[in-house]
Amino acid sequence: QVQLVQSGAEVKKPGASVEVSCKASGFTFTDYYIHWVRQAPGQGLEWMGWVNPNSGGTNYAQRFQGRVTMTRDTSINTAYLELSRLRSDDTAVYYCAREDTDMVTFPKTAPNDYWGQGTLVTVSS
Amino acid sequence: DIVMTQSPDSLAVSLGERATINCKSSQSVLYAFNNKNYLSWFQQRPGQPPKLLIYWASTRESGVPDRFSGSGSGTDFTLTISSLQAEDVAVYYCQQYYNTPRTFGQGTKVEIK
Repeated sequence: QVQLVQSGAEVKKPGASVEVSCKASGFTFTDYYIHWVRQAPGQGLEWMGWVNPNSGGTNYAQRFQGRVTMTRDTSINTAYLELSRLRSDDTAVYYCAREDTDMVTFPKTAPNDYWGQGTLVTVSS
Repeated sequence: DIVMTQSPDSLAVSLGERATINCKSSQSVLYAFNNKNYLSWFQQRPGQPPKLLIYWASTRESGVPDRFSGSGSGTDFTLTISSLQAEDVAVYYCQQYYNTPRTFGQGTKVEIK
């Protein structure tokens, strides 16, 4: 069955960096973009960007440009989110989610159909 | 960026009654090539990740109960729960995936009256 399993909770100090992983199973990793979405405590959902596991190409939300890096390791079917220069308002649950790249079934783009369980990142001094 | 606005922010509905949530986008999410609206609805229960309910504005994801339905086109969309069940208590989000950045509505909290 399709699964996206994320790494465990992190506590970081302001100014530090954090890396969250998302391990995929049950589907062909290189056939799906991996998106990252975050949710601050009690707040809504915020899209951060995606990585194309096939090419390594990325597309980041402008507000995170310069602070975010999304990568992948196809040998272990895992995508990574790194966020640097952390601030207290980066405290959030970070989710990965997949998007089908089949342009016949989904011309232009596809919805995010499966999500990881989420990783809580707490930024506190 | 496309701004997504949901209404209401919260609603309380009796068990077995209808719940209706609206979502408006600041620009059309209708793709003329295939005449599809690039609009999803998600359900998020407390402590859980979002779950895809509806995509292309009205296509139910596999396994989603048929009491959930989506409608609308262009800039105005609706999610309807025809007969509210206890397990439907959650926050519901619309999302446009017409272009990036993908944007979400602020969420609508559904409770039991």
